[in-house]
Amino acid sequence: QVQLVESGGGVVQPGRSLRLSCAASGFTFSSYAMHWVRQAPGKGLEWVAVISYDGTNKYFADSVKGRFTISRDNSKNTLYLQMSSLRAEDTAVYYCAKGGWFGDINRSDYWGQGTLVTVSS
Amino acid sequence: DIQMTQSPSSLSASVGDRVTITCQASQDISNYLNWYQQRPGKAPKLVIYDASYLETGVPSRFSGSGSGTDFTFTISSLQPEDIATYYCQQYNTLPLTFGGGTKVEIK
Repeated sequence: QVQLVESGGGVVQPGRSLRLSCAASGFTFSSYAMHWVRQAPGKGLEWVAVISYDGTNKYFADSVKGRFTISRDNSKNTLYLQMSSLRAEDTAVYYCAKGGWFGDINRSDYWGQGTLVTVSS
Repeated sequence: DIQMTQSPSSLSASVGDRVTITCQASQDISNYLNWYQQRPGKAPKLVIYDASYLETGVPSRFSGSGSGTDFTFTISSLQPEDIATYYCQQYNTLPLTFGGGTKVEIK
């Protein structure tokens, strides 16, 4: 069965950096796009970024463009989100989500359990 | 960006009631619409994809319909385990966007 396990969250000061990881299993990771989606405390869902199955195409929400990068290591079945210049408004639970097969980059289905990032001094 | 307007924002119904949630897109998204269920403290779970297809393992009391800009999500007979917040999400165009959510409670 599909499993996605996020890690790397924690408390970080404004302006600092943090890297999240998402370990995938139960499917052919290298054949699927992958997303990051976040949810601020008590709020709704906000899509953050997507990366294609082979890592060649990456897209970001305007709110994180230029500050966050997404990458993947298909040999390790792991997705990453490098976050820099963090702001208080980046405080959220960050979920990774399995995307579409090969070129179907926009789809999403299974989600991990999430990791909490708190940006505070 | 495509705006997704979901209503109502919350509802209270009795066990066995029929529950309906609507989602309107700001432009034509064909049938590229998901419905997710998020129980308190849990990750979202896909319930309906492509506007009307039931995800594997999801009870048949859940259904979805619509295309273009107007979509409907229905629980035919509300059960206690359906207490959750439900979100629509369009995947026609990046950025992916979500409705504001509908919190479903038991009366």
